[in-house]
Amino acid sequence: NAGVTQTPKFQVLKTGQSMTLQCAQDMNHNSMYWYRQDPGMGLRLIYYSASEGTTDKGEVPNGYNVSRLNKREFSLRLESAAPSQTSVYFCASSDWTGGTEAFFGQGTRLTVV
Amino acid sequence: SQQGEEDPQALSIQEGENATMNCSYKTSINNLQWYRQNSGRGLVHLILIRSNEREKHSGRLRVTLDTSKKSSSLLITASRAADTASYFCATDADQAGTALIFGKGTTLSVSS
Repeated sequence: NAGVTQTPKFQVLKTGQSMTLQCAQDMNHNSMYWYRQDPGMGLRLIYYSASEGTTDKGEVPNGYNVSRLNKREFSLRLESAAPSQTSVYFCASSDWTGGTEAFFGQGTRLTVV
Repeated sequence: SQQGEEDPQALSIQEGENATMNCSYKTSINNLQWYRQNSGRGLVHLILIRSNEREKHSGRLRVTLDTSKKSSSLLITASRAADTASYFCATDADQAGTALIFGKGTTLSVSS
């Protein structure tokens, strides 16, 4: 059982380049999330999708866009990467947004130079 | 701003000792969860406690919740070197459709 799969695992971008981080889950979960993790900052919520067809901003949405492609897939797009977006990005999913365990992917380590 | 705040930021203990981590949060919650993260890995769920519960156990883990003080604690008894990891509390606010918000975490180091 794969759980939550993120691609790529590592990426180096130049300032101004764009890219899309992919996330897919095979647990038939309704809710999916994107977090970023920076040293000393814990995890901060970027965007989430409570259910297929909906997306909402989290704590730090600026510079990002998301697409809930279908129930399985939730992508995160950086339109014009900046060094401040250097981080480790985690995708997660859960049955619903409240009161259920979240399952995490292994992360994407992104460096913007 | 982040909902949860763990304390201490870092904790170093010997194998066999107990480790206690605390989490304080700001707004009313439905549930509070604790997660563990090994270095370079994703987070793994440990335990969930609902707002109407005061204490919960799972193996060597004991979680308490005090909603009047907006705080929770995670106790790991008889720590092992394999417990070395970062531990995060996460809350979902007392309204429908909100996502889990994480604290900054406590880094636990257990030496043998």
